[in-house]
Amino acid sequence: DVKVTQSSRYLVKRTGEKVFLECVQDMDHENMFWYRQDPGLGLRLIYFSYDVKMKEKGDIPEGYSVSREKKERFSLILESASTNQTSMYLCASSFTGVDYGYTFGSGTRLTVV
Amino acid sequence: DQQVKQNSPSLSVQEGRISILNCDYTNSMFDYFLWYKKYPAEGPTFLISISSIKDKNEDGRFTVFLNKSAKHLSLHIVPSQPGDSAVYFCAASSRTGGADGLTFGKGTHLIIQP
Repeated sequence: DVKVTQSSRYLVKRTGEKVFLECVQDMDHENMFWYRQDPGLGLRLIYFSYDVKMKEKGDIPEGYSVSREKKERFSLILESASTNQTSMYLCASSFTGVDYGYTFGSGTRLTVV
Repeated sequence: DQQVKQNSPSLSVQEGRISILNCDYTNSMFDYFLWYKKYPAEGPTFLISISSIKDKNEDGRFTVFLNKSAKHLSLHIVPSQPGDSAVYFCAASSRTGGADGLTFGKGTHLIIQP
């Protein structure tokens, strides 16, 4: 069964900590994405990558960075976590092509205290 | 400015009836539209999509209609079942394939009443 795997379902971190969220896909997808989901705000794109070592800013990149050293892995980094980064983080991947939807991971619920 | 709008945060429908979820968009460059379904504590799952060259796409109980002149699309679920209770997200892409990221609406929480 093909999937997108996010390393943690729940995470609690302290303000100021450096946080790594990992995402791995086994579908050989070119594109990978990080979204956050907040009540009343829907899904907002943080960063995406269309190839290894390539990254593009999404709609809300401030306070985040990403790393894609291998095709199957896309990491989201919070350099210095803040309470307003408490959210559900969703990783997704896709092929490039009109008929392909995104496959999402199950999400990481991050709480920054 | 929100480019994809789902103006109904929630919708309650009786089991067996038709559920109609609406979505409006403002960016005329969008050429591909998708619907995703999300249960609590799970990632969204792809439901159905439509290209801007079509005005209707059907898959079992799910049909998506696109009205390009009105910049409006809708998802019809017939008949509605209890397992359809979830949050539904409308999404749009300005480049076929979505390689530059989908733009999502805020979602509509569909509740199917027994």
